[in-house]
Amino acid sequence: EAQVTQNPRYLITVTGKKLTVTCSQNMNHEYMSWYRQDPGLGLRQIYYSMNVEVTDKGDVPEGYKVSRKEKRNFPLILESPSPNQTSLYFCASSWGADNQPQHFGDGTRLSIL
Amino acid sequence: GQQLNQSPQSMFIQEGEDVSMNCTSSSIFNTWLWYKQDPGEGPVLLIALYKAGELTSNGRLTAQFGITRKDSFLNISASIPSDVGIYFCAGTFTGANSKLTFGKGITLSVRP
Repeated sequence: EAQVTQNPRYLITVTGKKLTVTCSQNMNHEYMSWYRQDPGLGLRQIYYSMNVEVTDKGDVPEGYKVSRKEKRNFPLILESPSPNQTSLYFCASSWGADNQPQHFGDGTRLSIL
Repeated sequence: GQQLNQSPQSMFIQEGEDVSMNCTSSSIFNTWLWYKQDPGEGPVLLIALYKAGELTSNGRLTAQFGITRKDSFLNISASIPSDVGIYFCAGTFTGANSKLTFGKGITLSVRP
């Protein structure tokens, strides 16, 4: 089954404790992206990757890092999480051309205390 | 930057009614997408539109790519309780490197 898998689905942690949210897709997609979803703000892009070793900032990259060492994986790293990063996070992937729709994972709800 | 406007933020309809949602942009897009998000899940693609004027259906859903390339609408006919959720429009444009711009979403409630 074609899917985008995120882990963990839920995480409660404390300020400053480094965490990583993993994302994996099994569709051989070139393009992968991370979004955060906040009430009243919709979905905002954090980082995206056009292919292996190619990443770029989205609209709200501050406080986040990503890496793309393999095509299927695109982890999101919070080196020193803060409470304003409490949010619902989604990973998405697509073939990469401008007109290809993105497929989303089921989300990761992060709470930073 | 690019912005997509969806309003109102919430809509309440009676089961069996039709509903129409609009999405407008401040600039031209060359792809319009409509997603639905159920509680606790990620957005799921409903309809993709690639050409100005294009009208596409998916069951009870119909979406159109506006002639001006700055708007799109989604119609849901004969609504049922499982239509409840958040409906997002999204768009991309040439040279965007696949970057999607999302509207803020419309939360649809269906009264039985």
